Amino acid sequence: DADVTQTPRNRITKTGKRIMLECSQTKGHDRMYWYRQDPGLGLRLIYYSFDVKDINKGEISDGYSVSRQAQAKFSLSLESAIPNQTALYFCATSDHRQGSNQPQHFGDGTRLSIL
Amino acid sequence: AQSVTQPDIHITVSEGASLELRCNYSYGATPYLFWYVQSPGQGLQLLLKYFSGDTLVQGIKGFEAEFKRSQSSFNLRKPSVHWSDAAEYFCAVGPNTGGFKTIFGAGTRLFVKA
Repeated sequence: DADVTQTPRNRITKTGKRIMLECSQTKGHDRMYWYRQDPGLGLRLIYYSFDVKDINKGEISDGYSVSRQAQAKFSLSLESAIPNQTALYFCATSDHRQGSNQPQHFGDGTRLSIL
Repeated sequence: AQSVTQPDIHITVSEGASLELRCNYSYGATPYLFWYVQSPGQGLQLLLKYFSGDTLVQGIKGFEAEFKRSQSSFNLRKPSVHWSDAAEYFCAVGPNTGGFKTIFGAGTRLFVKA
């Protein structure tokens, strides 16, 4: 089983719909992240969480919200989807009990298309 | 401003040939440096990292990278490329003084021809 699991893997939906992307991890890591990937732009950070009670905005948080329901779960919501949110979304985790700025471990991504 | 530049959007090499992928960074302090690889349909996988010490670091799958402070570079190399190395490669930097934010380059897509 994957250490970082994202569901769904693919989703096609219409403008204006509410969408939730889910991420769960079995690594026991404290930090979790949501990124979006667009061709030629690399990965851009949407939100991150250092612990269950800690949520922080990344560089492109507008139009998104998150919930850290448990240490192992971090979900991303698009309250009213728009076409320019069509992208590949990644969840990642890292373990900072091992020291600062540890490498991140990624899920396999969710490909989201908004028509 | 902090940034990571991967000058080559895509590179094509022949199987068995050597490979070098370029990465330059702009950072106010000595950074932590990473290379990740992304195969189609998958997430990013860590190839190697540099935190301190020896500036030549070895990674998985036969890759290595060299940190050159004077050039603000962290280029990835492999002496002999295999067809299975075709993927997208991302360079990333982060702070070594605490903090959290990792900045990713835009990626270089590697094509391998027979």
